[in-house]
Parts: sequence; structure tokens; C-alpha cells
Amino acid sequence: DIQMTQSPSSLSASVGDRVTITCRASQSISNYLNWYQQKPGKAPKLLIYAASSLQSGVPSRFSGSGSGTDFTLTISSLQPEDFATYYCQQTYSTPPTFGQGTRLEIK
Amino acid sequence: EVQLVESGGGLVQPGGSLRLSCAASGFTFSSYWMQWVRQAPGKGLVWVSRVSSDGRSTSYADSVKGRFTISRDNAKNTLFLQMNSLRAEDTAVYYCARGRSMPNLGNWFDPWGQGTLVTVSS
Repeated sequence: DIQMTQSPSSLSASVGDRVTITCRASQSISNYLNWYQQKPGKAPKLLIYAASSLQSGVPSRFSGSGSGTDFTLTISSLQPEDFATYYCQQTYSTPPTFGQGTRLEIK
Repeated sequence: EVQLVESGGGLVQPGGSLRLSCAASGFTFSSYWMQWVRQAPGKGLVWVSRVSSDGRSTSYADSVKGRFTISRDNAKNTLFLQMNSLRAEDTAVYYCARGRSMPNLGNWFDPWGQGTLVTVSS
């Protein structure tokens, strides 16, 4: 199975900050990398697919980049509603696997 | 509005069985692959199983292979997960999700249902 490792595991930031979360795959996954946001008690929500494509309805402050093994999710200016846990996911091979999550907290 | 609604979760004893359902609406259910993903309390997301749009092709995580069976009824727009020989480590919120894909872009899960909690305990 392909291992996905996110860093950091947790992050404290303030409203208005620029934040970057990193996801590394244990082998090359081309651009088959997705990002999800999950708030407490809620289902995950798709933010970015294919490494850099913004899902319809997702604010443009979210962006993704990378290919191969290294990927990033950037939030350009944090808003109060962005404090949540973020997961990366590879769908290059079966089973699809998720990173362990990055918890974004208010500083 | 595209919507997925899971049901069927609950408390079950180790070794018992449970059948989860996921009712789909707002889209042509028979055109999409469907997925089950679970999340143990306080833990991350783990893929469980998927089924092709026509129900003929299925895949499972090693941890559930031989115990869980995914199926679908396209006439009733419903996805199922039959879970047998349940273990304490199967305790989790189970989400169904629609699979989407495009050539050269891979595939992704969108949307997700609200989840149903399965608790395996004596």
C-alpha cells in the first residue's frame, strides 16, 4: 500500500495567516492526490482533486500543488471557518489511502 | 441536490452482523462507482470498499476482506455494506461516498454522506 505522510500533524495559526500543509507519498503517484476538509462531527468535504484542481464552490483561497511524491495545500488567508482537520488522499493505486490528517487550530 | 444518507448503524456484539445502507438522491446513481470509508473514534479516514457502477466489480481493504460485502441496488438508488464477524476494531463511523473520475486526473470522493456509527462491543 502507498503510505501518505502529512506534516505537520497539528498547526496553530491566526485569522489572516497564510498556511501550508505538506503531504508526501511513499512512491510516485503522479497527480492523483486529493485534499479534504473535515470539521468535528461532520463528513469530509472535497477541496482539491488531481493535486491542483479546485472543487466547485470551494473558496479560491485554497490551492494545491505538486506531483510525483510531494504535494502542498495552501490557504492564502485563513478565515474562521477554515479551522478544521485536513486530509490528503492518493488514488493512484488500490487501496486508496489517506494521510493521518493535519489539525488546524486557532492561535 | 446531490445527497447521500447512511443508515443501519448501531451497537452489535463481537462476532455479530450488521447491514449498512446508503440512500442516494439528486444524481444518476447507476452511473457512478460508490465507496465506503470508515473513521474510528478520534482517528483518521480509512477506505473500506468500493463497487463499480453496475455492481459487477468490487474491492476491499485487507482488514475487511472475507467479512464485509459491498453491493448496490440501482433500481432503488441504494448502496449496501453487509458486515459479518464484526470485531471491536471495526468500531467506527462509516461513510458512503460517490466516486468521481476523469481521464488523467485520477478519481476522488464527492460528496460524502453524514455517516453512521457502528459500535462493536459486548
